[in-house]
Amino acid sequence: AQKITQTQPGMFVQEKEAVTLDCTYDTSDPSYGLFWYKQPSSGEMIFLIYQGSYDQQNATEGRYSLNFQKARKSANLVISASQLGDSAMYFCAMREDYGNNRLAFGKGNQVVVIP
Amino acid sequence: DGGITQSPKYLFRKEGQNVTLSCEQNLNHDAMYWYRQDPGQGLRLIYYSQIVNDFQKGDIAEGYSVSREKKESFPLTVTSAQKNPTAFYLCASSLTGPLYNEQFFGPGTRLTVL
Repeated sequence: AQKITQTQPGMFVQEKEAVTLDCTYDTSDPSYGLFWYKQPSSGEMIFLIYQGSYDQQNATEGRYSLNFQKARKSANLVISASQLGDSAMYFCAMREDYGNNRLAFGKGNQVVVIP
Repeated sequence: DGGITQSPKYLFRKEGQNVTLSCEQNLNHDAMYWYRQDPGQGLRLIYYSQIVNDFQKGDIAEGYSVSREKKESFPLTVTSAQKNPTAFYLCASSLTGPLYNEQFFGPGTRLTVL
């Protein structure tokens, strides 16, 4: 069964606007962590933000914030004030406490920022 | 500078040949990973290692082999048994322990089978 689901089609975003990328996950482990990575066209994977299952507050890192809704098993990434350099694929991933450090990745969301 | 290096960036091989992809890290991380990425897809785990001289199969290990003789190095061999090896291969490393330890990725190797 797929553990991470990202189903949005490719998105076009106007520069300086905010964009929300959806991610739902499936786990029976009470302790887990959720990660978002950015992959520009060069191919490297860049870590953006982390949310722990027991964290009381939503994670934020600069222009990135995570809208964590535990009951809905949802961990949406919000990018505020989009910049041209934000054009990339974005991947949601989950690490389970009993998962031997493994990450399960979703299929990604494509974002294109237009001027 | 600390980081992960992968070589080569582009690799071409003929069908039936084995090929080894290099991955080196100087982050002093215990855990290392190999992923495969196909166009429009997410990353799928091939093999991972949490400590020197030990490694485990991931979700798509068939047709691949690895070794972990040194902490800094985790080479991946794509064997002739791998039916569709053309893909983008990413190596990663991380600390073990707390869940919040993110994986750091190398720049990737794009393998094309001719």
